[in-house]
Amino acid sequence: AQTVTQSQPEMSVQEAETVTLSCTYDTSENNYYLFWYKQPPSRQMILVIRQEAYKQQNATENRFSVNFQKAAKSFSLKISDSQLGDTAMYFCAFMKHESGSRLTFGEGTQLTVNP
Amino acid sequence: NAGVTQTPKFRVLKTGQSMTLLCAQDMNHEYMYWYRQDPGMGLRLIHYSVGEGTTAKGEVPDGYNVSRLKKQNFLLGLESAAPSQTSVYFCATHGGTGVAGELFFGEGSRLTVL
Repeated sequence: AQTVTQSQPEMSVQEAETVTLSCTYDTSENNYYLFWYKQPPSRQMILVIRQEAYKQQNATENRFSVNFQKAAKSFSLKISDSQLGDTAMYFCAFMKHESGSRLTFGEGTQLTVNP
Repeated sequence: NAGVTQTPKFRVLKTGQSMTLLCAQDMNHEYMYWYRQDPGMGLRLIHYSVGEGTTAKGEVPDGYNVSRLKKQNFLLGLESAAPSQTSVYFCATHGGTGVAGELFFGEGSRLTVL
């Protein structure tokens, strides 16, 4: 079974600054995907960024980027130029290849962006 | 285009009562999932379905049943509610051929069992 751990229950950052959220996972699989999902106060879960394990290049989506360290089983999310709208719960998630998109989520990190 | 709709949004039950949560999607997605979200535990998969007429157990299936009689609907039932089932329940869908792992979520249903 896979486990996903987010060791930072809460974090805060000043508007326009950069913040990094941590995630580690444990798996014996070689082919898998990793994700960061965002849950704003509206509770609507939104996919932020996705990384395929076989790709060495770190994924980026505008202000969001990841640092994927496969050997260390680490998958952190960097948010640059933080905006008030980034305030949300962020979940790291793992998915085995060809598992019917069944995700295993971490505990979540509540990020607050302060003006 | 409503996407994924969950009903009801809120419900309070007494221990031992039964209820059904309905998830309806208009995206013609094959895969549907029920997750529960609890503080400090993230989202955990209860049951899922890979197509009409199919269901399978997830990580925490005990105390729940599901049915997928129609492709667009996925029902989650609690036959005898317990306080441990107090949670926020999320339905999610995936197209099957879409981006792997990109789930589309409903807005959640908050259930309180007294």
